[in-house]
Amino acid sequence: DVKVTQSSRYLVKRTGEKVFLECVQDMDHENMFWYRQDPGLGLRLIYFSYDVKMKEKGDIPEGYSVSREKKERFSLILESASTNQTSMYLCASSFSDRAGYGYTFGSGTRLTVV
Amino acid sequence: AQSVTQLGSHVSVSEGALVLLRCNYSSSVPPYLFWYVQYPNQGLQLLLKYTTGATLVKGINGFEAEFKKSETSFHLTKPSAHMSDAAEYFCAVSDRYTGRRALTFGSGTRLQVQP
Repeated sequence: DVKVTQSSRYLVKRTGEKVFLECVQDMDHENMFWYRQDPGLGLRLIYFSYDVKMKEKGDIPEGYSVSREKKERFSLILESASTNQTSMYLCASSFSDRAGYGYTFGSGTRLTVV
Repeated sequence: AQSVTQLGSHVSVSEGALVLLRCNYSSSVPPYLFWYVQYPNQGLQLLLKYTTGATLVKGINGFEAEFKKSETSFHLTKPSAHMSDAAEYFCAVSDRYTGRRALTFGSGTRLQVQP
């Protein structure tokens, strides 16, 4: 089974802190994604990456950046955390040439910024 | 850009009753279509998908969905609800031809199953 592992299930950070959310997948997927999930809004795409060192902005990239130095790891960075970034963050991965196969998701990181 | 509409943020059914969760997409070209389920404190799990071929798609846990091009819909159904079906359900689409590899999700429908 493909595994997508997010390093933390719960995080509490202070306003202004730099926050790193880590995601690792073990199936050699080219594509990796970061979404945030908020009640009533569903999942919204923050950033995605289709190759090492490549990234594209999603629908809500403001206040976030990403890093992909190795194929299996995709990090989401909150440069200066704010309370409106309190949310559930979901990482996912997929094959590049199989858009019809969908994603494999991690279990999520619930981030609270105080 | 693609968009997905899920009618009804909350649906409540009795155990044994029919489950119907609605999903409509906006695209002149039929996209790939997916339903995901999220149990409490977990990530999303793929229930079923439509890519090509037969328009009635069967998934896990007794769920199925029918792609109707004329209605731009992909509604999810289950003939008889079980208590374990209580979860949040998300409809999602991806572009078939434009190369955008990311899924676009609807806002989700929380299913409650009453005993």
